[in-house]
Amino acid sequence: QSVLTQPPSVSGAPGQRVTISCTGSSSNIGANYGVHWYQQLPGTVPKLLIYGNINRPSGVPDRFSGSKSGTSASLAITGLQAEDEADYYCQCYDSSLGGVPFGGGTKLTVL
Amino acid sequence: VQLVQSGAEVKKPGASVKVSCKASGYTFSIYSMHWVRQAPGQRLEWMAWINANGNTKYSQRIQGRVTITRDTSASTAYMELSSLRSEDTAVYYCARGESSNWYYYWGQGTLVTVSP
Repeated sequence: QSVLTQPPSVSGAPGQRVTISCTGSSSNIGANYGVHWYQQLPGTVPKLLIYGNINRPSGVPDRFSGSKSGTSASLAITGLQAEDEADYYCQCYDSSLGGVPFGGGTKLTVL
Repeated sequence: VQLVQSGAEVKKPGASVKVSCKASGYTFSIYSMHWVRQAPGQRLEWMAWINANGNTKYSQRIQGRVTITRDTSASTAYMELSSLRSEDTAVYYCARGESSNWYYYWGQGTLVTVSP
């Protein structure tokens, strides 16, 4: 069990908008530590999508955006495409654990 | 920047494994290195880090069985896991830690299989 909770799965049709939540606590997200998001296509190395809550690395489409409020964070994907079908993970430093745990992961299905 | 890990390993229960991660393209000693693993069909699991000062931090779940070291002269980090169990079967990744412990650069992964 992770200290960061994500829904196991979300789905959406091409062109739609989906959001993936990441719920933490006062020792991680609520303590103002940055939340990071990764995309993992089947059989590949995870790819950084968002760092520090809202920042996109160069090359990541602006269809991907991050936000944070209180003890939760969200990843939004607009204009859903078939190639977005993947597993998505949030990550955040936790002061109680002293490490950087990942969420349980969310499988995105493009209908 | 490249992180190149050692090859796949097959180990028996109770044995130890040591995975290496050779870095290139940047000043190795000024960045932390993290280790992440992923069991088959499972989520990413943060394991440990070694920071720029050489200090280490381990996940409570595997503390006592894992040791992270580095050789700055060889720009290489190492992850050693002992008392292997079947549930340690996973792909092990090294990843360079950026300022707030996010990872842009990852190794290619090393499959460790624990089997009698």
